[in-house]
Amino acid sequence: DIQMTQSPSTLSASVGDRVTITCRASRNISSWLAWYQQKPGKAPKVLIYKASNLQSGVPSRFSGSGSGTEFTLTISSLQPDDFATYYCQQYNSYFGQGTKLEIK
Amino acid sequence: EVQLVEAGGGMVQPGGSLRLSCAGSGFSVGNSYMSWVRQAPGKGLEWVAVIYSGGATYYSDSVKGRFTISRDSSKNTLDLQMNSLRTDDTALYYCARDISWGQGTLVTVSS
Repeated sequence: DIQMTQSPSTLSASVGDRVTITCRASRNISSWLAWYQQKPGKAPKVLIYKASNLQSGVPSRFSGSGSGTEFTLTISSLQPDDFATYYCQQYNSYFGQGTKLEIK
Repeated sequence: EVQLVEAGGGMVQPGGSLRLSCAGSGFSVGNSYMSWVRQAPGKGLEWVAVIYSGGATYYSDSVKGRFTISRDSSKNTLDLQMNSLRTDDTALYYCARDISWGQGTLVTVSS
């Protein structure tokens, strides 16, 4: 099984900050990675698909990069609506543990 | 447009069984990689099982031997047969086709 390791588990940041979340796969998964945002009581929302493709309707401050075993999600300038929990997932397989993005 | 609608959730006693179903539209379930994902209350997302277009199936260790994923291509549906249910199987269950998800169906295992 391919395991996904996401870091950090919690991130405190301020509006306007640039933040990066990392996801590592235990084996090469090419670009088969998605990033999701989840707010309390809501279904997950896909932000990035195939590692670096921005889902339609998602603000351009979100970006994804990486391939193989190392991936990053970057938010270029945090907005109040971005405080949520973020997950990476290998397509049709395991998730990372999640990163809770909190207001500093 | 891809749409997924889950059904079959409910309350069941520990040791019991439940069968979830997911109706797909806008695509062919039989030609897709289809998964079940769950989220227990207050916990993270957990991948449960996948069925590949070729028919191969894989399960997380937490459900292996108790859950069975299957599909009915004629009905364009995906199923999850859940046996020997435990209280820690309580969760919102989603079916997914790659990055497209349904809205979920709630399974509660409690005595």
